[in-house]
Amino acid sequence: EPEVTQTPSHQVTQMGQEVILRCVPISNHLYFYWYRQILGQKVEFLVSFYNNEISEKSEIFDDQFSVERPDGSNFTLKIRSTKLEDSAMYFCASNRPQGNIQYFGAGTRLSVL
Amino acid sequence: QQQVKQSPQSLIVQKGGISIINCAYENTAFDYFPWYQQFPGKGPALLIAIRPDVSEKKEGRFTISFNKSAKQFSLHIMDSQPGDSATYFCAASEDNAGNMLTFGGGTRLMVKP
Repeated sequence: EPEVTQTPSHQVTQMGQEVILRCVPISNHLYFYWYRQILGQKVEFLVSFYNNEISEKSEIFDDQFSVERPDGSNFTLKIRSTKLEDSAMYFCASNRPQGNIQYFGAGTRLSVL
Repeated sequence: QQQVKQSPQSLIVQKGGISIINCAYENTAFDYFPWYQQFPGKGPALLIAIRPDVSEKKEGRFTISFNKSAKQFSLHIMDSQPGDSATYFCAASEDNAGNMLTFGGGTRLMVKP
C-alpha cells in the first residue's frame, strides 16, 4: 500500500540553526500538508500546498517557516532559525484530488537544544 | 469556531468492553469527520470517517455516531482489545481536497487484559 514517507525520523539541532524536513507524498496525490504535534498535545495544522503554492496556512506558520516542492516528488518544510518551542513531531500528509482523506507519514521528531 | 472539543482525555476499559469517545464542533461548514488512531512514535492513521448525510457508520468493531443538530459525533469501539490501546483523535474539515483538518485534543485509550 502506498504511503507517505518522511526523513529523517529524528533531527537534533541547535537553537538558531536552519532545518529542512523532507517528505515524499503518495505519488498520485496533489494536495500536501504539514502538521505538528508538541509532545502530549493535539495535532495542529501548519500549512497546505497545491499546484506549487501555499493554499492555506495557520498563525503558527510565520516567516520562519517555508515549504517547497523542489523536484515533483519531495515536499519540504524549512525552519529558518529554530527556537526551543519548535521542538515537536512534524507530520507530512497528502490527499487525492477528490475528497479530503489525508494520509499521514510517520513524522519527524525535531529536537531543538 | 474552528475548535473541535474531544472527551474524555483518557479512558481505561476492560478487554471486551465498549470504548466511547465524544467530540463536538461549532463550525457548521464542516462536512467531513474522520477519526484517526495513533500509536506511540507513529503518525495518525485514518480509522473511519463519516459525512453528515448519515447518522451512523460501522466498520467492523468501530462505529461512528453522528448527530448533526447537536453538532456532535462519537466513536464506539465494541469488544475492545488490548491492541486497541492508542491515542484517538477526532477531526473535522470541509470535505474538499486541500482543506485543513482541525483535530480534537485526543483521547488516550488503555484496554486492560
